[in-house]
Amino acid sequence: DGGITQSPKYLFRKEGQNVTLSCEQNLNHDAMYWYRQDPGQGLRLIYYSQIVNDFQKGDIAEGYSVSREKKESFPLTVTSAQKNPTAFYLCASSTNRGEQFFGPGTRLTVL
Amino acid sequence: GQNIDQPTEMTATEGAIVQINCTYQTSGFNGLFWYQQHAGEAPTFLSYNVLDGLEEKGRFSSFLSRSKGYSYLLLKELQMKDSASYLCAVRDPGAGSYQLTFGKGTKLSVIP
Repeated sequence: DGGITQSPKYLFRKEGQNVTLSCEQNLNHDAMYWYRQDPGQGLRLIYYSQIVNDFQKGDIAEGYSVSREKKESFPLTVTSAQKNPTAFYLCASSTNRGEQFFGPGTRLTVL
Repeated sequence: GQNIDQPTEMTATEGAIVQINCTYQTSGFNGLFWYQQHAGEAPTFLSYNVLDGLEEKGRFSSFLSRSKGYSYLLLKELQMKDSASYLCAVRDPGAGSYQLTFGKGTKLSVIP
């Protein structure tokens, strides 16, 4: 089955720690994205990548980092510099038409 | 950049029809998407419009007027499972070529 997987589903982190969220897709899509969603808010773009070994900052990239070493994988690191990291994180990949397919999401809580 | 507006919340009765509006102001336009998002879950694709007019897909239809910067999602024969947030998203050709900008979503509550 083709799709996007994210792990873990729930993640707890202590303040001051970095944490990496996994995102894998087998849809053969070139473009991948990371979004953050807060309660009652829309999706805000953190980073996106249109091709392997290249990525661009979105609207709220501060405190986050990404890599794109393989077409299938686009991990997101939430660093200790991110001041308010508790949120629902969604990874997506897209077709050439722009239709985005989302993974199930990771809910990150900072303790 | 893009500015996308949707109503925050709507309530409708089971079996009825509801229309969710979306207006956008953009520097460019290359398609509009509607997504459904149930609480705590990921968004799922509903519809895509790039030309003016109505696209119908079962109980759901989506309309676009590019000259007015306006779209709506029409849901017919509402069911309780349609209770969800509905996100309008516009593709911006000026940014990353496949990048979408999302509205904040409309939370629809379907009541018996």
